[in-house]
Amino acid sequence: GAGVSQSPRYKVTKRGQDVALRCDPISGHVSLYWYRQALGQGPEFLTYFNYEAQQDKSGLPNDRFSAERPEGSISTLTIQRTEQRDSAMYRCASSLERGRAEDTQYFGPGTRLTVL
Amino acid sequence: AQSVTQLDSQVPVFEEAPVELRCNYSSSVSVYLFWYVQYPNQGLQLLLKYLSGSTLVESINGFEAEFNKSQTSFHLRKPSVHISDTAEYFCAVSDPWGRSYNTDKLIFGTGTRLQVFP
Repeated sequence: GAGVSQSPRYKVTKRGQDVALRCDPISGHVSLYWYRQALGQGPEFLTYFNYEAQQDKSGLPNDRFSAERPEGSISTLTIQRTEQRDSAMYRCASSLERGRAEDTQYFGPGTRLTVL
Repeated sequence: AQSVTQLDSQVPVFEEAPVELRCNYSSSVSVYLFWYVQYPNQGLQLLLKYLSGSTLVESINGFEAEFNKSQTSFHLRKPSVHISDTAEYFCAVSDPWGRSYNTDKLIFGTGTRLQVFP
């Protein structure tokens, strides 16, 4: 497939559990972004990778959230000790070049996380 | 900080009628502007974008948007909608000259759900 893929598509977990969300960007794309979208809201930026380097994590809400992209391709967003307020759609996007505003960001289908 | 306002959360319209989805952004400095569309059960897709030059930009499926710097607006229009245009539309802005990190993150509005009826 040529697009951005994310897994799982749906995740239901109990409060206090850890979850890992995966993003597989378009092959060759340098930049990778994570966004979070609450119900009725637009996506909000979480973090950005340039290859394997996490260059901006200003949008991560607290230290329970972390992300990595160890080989500059697949990325994992991890949420520890989940809380109900973490319930949202988590979206991943990739773009070809390094952090260029004019480059199109290609979004994956998202992972819908529900914390009970 | 940049912000984007989409005043209309839902826009119902009949097929073949014209439609306008409104978008305003907060800053008058130079920005890049985008419209993304999300069809049911799909991811966000870029519809069109304004970077520079002509203030009127068009998509391949008949949508157009006009950048108005004085009104800080980037409204999306289509003269005649189809059932297949039913989707959620998000306006977004990127501020390449205001970034404090080496990031060109998108700042999104809250979205407008376009519902086209037969």
